[in-house]
Amino acid sequence: EIVLTQSPGTLSLSPGERATLSCRASQSVSSSYLAWYQQKPGQAPRLLIYGASSRATGIPDRFSGSGSGTDFTLTISRLEPEDFAVYYCQQYGSSPRGTFGQGTKVEIK
Amino acid sequence: QVQLQESGPGLVKPSETLSLTCTVSGYSISSGYYWGWIRQPPGKGLEWIGSIYHSGSTYYNPSLKSRVTISVDTSKNQFSLKLSSVTAADTAVYYCARTRGWFDPWGQGTLVTVSS
Repeated sequence: EIVLTQSPGTLSLSPGERATLSCRASQSVSSSYLAWYQQKPGQAPRLLIYGASSRATGIPDRFSGSGSGTDFTLTISRLEPEDFAVYYCQQYGSSPRGTFGQGTKVEIK
Repeated sequence: QVQLQESGPGLVKPSETLSLTCTVSGYSISSGYYWGWIRQPPGKGLEWIGSIYHSGSTYYNPSLKSRVTISVDTSKNQFSLKLSSVTAADTAVYYCARTRGWFDPWGQGTLVTVSS
C-alpha cells in the first residue's frame, strides 16, 4: 500500500503570497495517478487537480499541480482569501481505489 | 449537473451495522463510472472505504474489507454502504462520490456517531 506524506502540516501565509504544498509517496505513483483536493470547514472536499497536473472543471488557473514518481507539488500562485483551507493529496491506480495524505492546512498569517 | 446525497441513521450502537445510501441525480449510474464511499473522523483526514461499478464489481480498502459491503441499485439510481460490527472508531462524516480514480463530485456528507 502506498503511503502519502504531506508537508508542511501547516503553512502560514498572507493573501497574495505563493503557496507550495508537497506530497511524497512511499513508492512510485504510476502514470501520475495523483489528485489534489481543497476542503473548507463543514464542507465536502472539492477536486482541484487530477492526473498530477490537470485542473478540474472550474478551478482557477492560480492552482497548478506538478510532479511525478514519488514527489508531487500543488502550487497556488497568489493566495486569495477563499484559498485558506485544508488541502489533501490522493493517489489512485488504474483501478478505483485510493489513499489520501494527512492534509496541509493553509492558514492566514 | 451530477449531485449526490447521503442518507441514513445518524446514530448507530456499538457492534451493530451502519447502513447508508447515496442517491445520485443528474446522471444515470448505469451510464458508467465507479461510485465510492469515503469517511472522515471528526478533526481528522480522509479515508477511502470502497468503490463499486454499476455492474456490481467492487473494490474495498483492505483495512475495512472484512466489515464492508457496497451494493448498487440501478433502478433507484442509488448505491449503498454497510459497515458491520461498528465501534466508536467508526464515528465519522461519511461521503459518497463519483470516481474515476479521483473523486468528483462529492455528496455533502453525513455524520454517523457510534454510541450506546
